[in-house]
Amino acid sequence: AQTVTQSQPEMSVQEAETVTLSCTYDTSESDYYLFWYKQPPSRQMILVIRQEAYKQQNATENRFSVNFQKAAKSFSLKISDSQLGDAAMYFCAYIQGAQKLVFGQGTRLTINP
Amino acid sequence: EPEVTQTPSHQVTQMGQEVILRCVPISNHLYFYWYRQILGQKVEFLVSFYNNEISEKSEIFDDQFSVERPDGSNFTLKIRSTKLEDSAMYFCASSGSGASGRNYNEQFFGPGTRLTVL
Repeated sequence: AQTVTQSQPEMSVQEAETVTLSCTYDTSESDYYLFWYKQPPSRQMILVIRQEAYKQQNATENRFSVNFQKAAKSFSLKISDSQLGDAAMYFCAYIQGAQKLVFGQGTRLTINP
Repeated sequence: EPEVTQTPSHQVTQMGQEVILRCVPISNHLYFYWYRQILGQKVEFLVSFYNNEISEKSEIFDDQFSVERPDGSNFTLKIRSTKLEDSAMYFCASSGSGASGRNYNEQFFGPGTRLTVL
C-alpha cells in the first residue's frame, strides 16, 4: 500500500524568508501524481502545487516550488518570500490513477512577523 | 471558476441519529469522493464513486455509511446511526475526465461539513 510521510509536525519561518517542507512516499508504481495541499484555519483544502511523476522538471507556482526526487521518493515543498497568509497546515498527497488520495500527517507552518 | 459545494457547513446531531451530508460536485466531473478529517489528524479516504457505483472504500466505510447520487448533480453521504467518533470534518471531492481537459488525477475539494456528534 502507498504511504506518505511528513516528518516535520511543525515548522516556523520569518516573514520574507524561505522554508522547505519535507515529504517522502512509498510506492511500487511508476506513474503517479504528487500534490501539496494547504489547509488554513477555515479547514478548506486548497491545492498549492502538483507534480507528475513522469516529468523530470520540478513544478513551480509563483513562490511555491517542489524538489521531486523520484528515485529517493522524496517530494519537498519550498516556499520563497514567506508571507503571513502562508501560515497553515500543509499536506503532501499521492495519487495513482483516478483513485484515492493518500495524505501525509501534515506540517503546521507558522510565519513569524 | 466551477467549484465543489457542500451543505450544511456545520451539522450537530445526537448520537444514534442519522445524518445526510450533501455535496454538489463540479458539473462535468465523473469521479466523486468522500474524505474525513478528525480534528488535528490527517485527511482519510472514505469512499470513491464512479459510474453510479462505489469503486473503492476504506475500512472506515462500514455498514453505517452509504453514498448516493440521487440526481445528476448531488452526491450524498449518509451515516445511519452516528457515533461520537464520527465527529469530524467531511470533505467531498470530485475529479474530471480527460475529455474535459482536466486531469482526472486532480481532485477538487469542497469546503467541508463539520459534523459534531453529541
